[in-house]
Amino acid sequence: QVQLQESGPGLVKPSGTLSLTCAVSGGSISSSNWWSWVRQPPGKGLEWIGEIYHSGSTNYNPSLKSRVTISVDKSKNQFSLKLSSVTAADTAVYYCARVLVAVGFDPWGQGTLVTVSS
Amino acid sequence: QSALTQPASVSGSPGQSITISCTGTSSDVGGYNYVSWYQQHPGKAPKLMIYEVSNRPSGVPDRFSGSKSGNTASLTISGLQAEDEADYYCSSYTSSSTHWVFGGGTKLTVL
Repeated sequence: QVQLQESGPGLVKPSGTLSLTCAVSGGSISSSNWWSWVRQPPGKGLEWIGEIYHSGSTNYNPSLKSRVTISVDKSKNQFSLKLSSVTAADTAVYYCARVLVAVGFDPWGQGTLVTVSS
Repeated sequence: QSALTQPASVSGSPGQSITISCTGTSSDVGGYNYVSWYQQHPGKAPKLMIYEVSNRPSGVPDRFSGSKSGNTASLTISGLQAEDEADYYCSSYTSSSTHWVFGGGTKLTVL
């Protein structure tokens, strides 16, 4: 079964760029699914960041669109998130998830906490 | 402020039933049957519990059920058990440029 695993720095300086990677195992990233990033600030709810198809097509949350880039590396079976000009408000647990059409987000990675602080 | 509105908290005793509501608009909950529900225990990733309004993935107990009326979706948990205590989030596809929206989450306490 498909499993996802996030990786990347746990600490990013203000005004810097947050970079995370999601490794997909147990299935191909080139399957007919979208792949998404979702974040959750400490003690708060879930926020959809964006999604990517293996062709490279993307959709982003308009509130983050100017700062977000999601890319895919089919050779490594992974996809990545870059969020620029970060502030303390971007401190959150970042999850990657597969998006099944008509189903939703399943499965999810375990999540990784990224703290924005100097 | 979340796009979908959920009650902040609900509670029930073991064996009882509870319902969590999720209110959106005709652009999301009311316009599509792509409503899903997620269970999240502290420190854990969300887990899909209901998809397409009322379908259960394999392995999810039939105590969990979903429904929708107009712009409001609902998750019902019958025969409450201690392990059901968690946060629950609804999600919907939306015709807006956001594509996917979540509710603010509901904390379920099993008394």
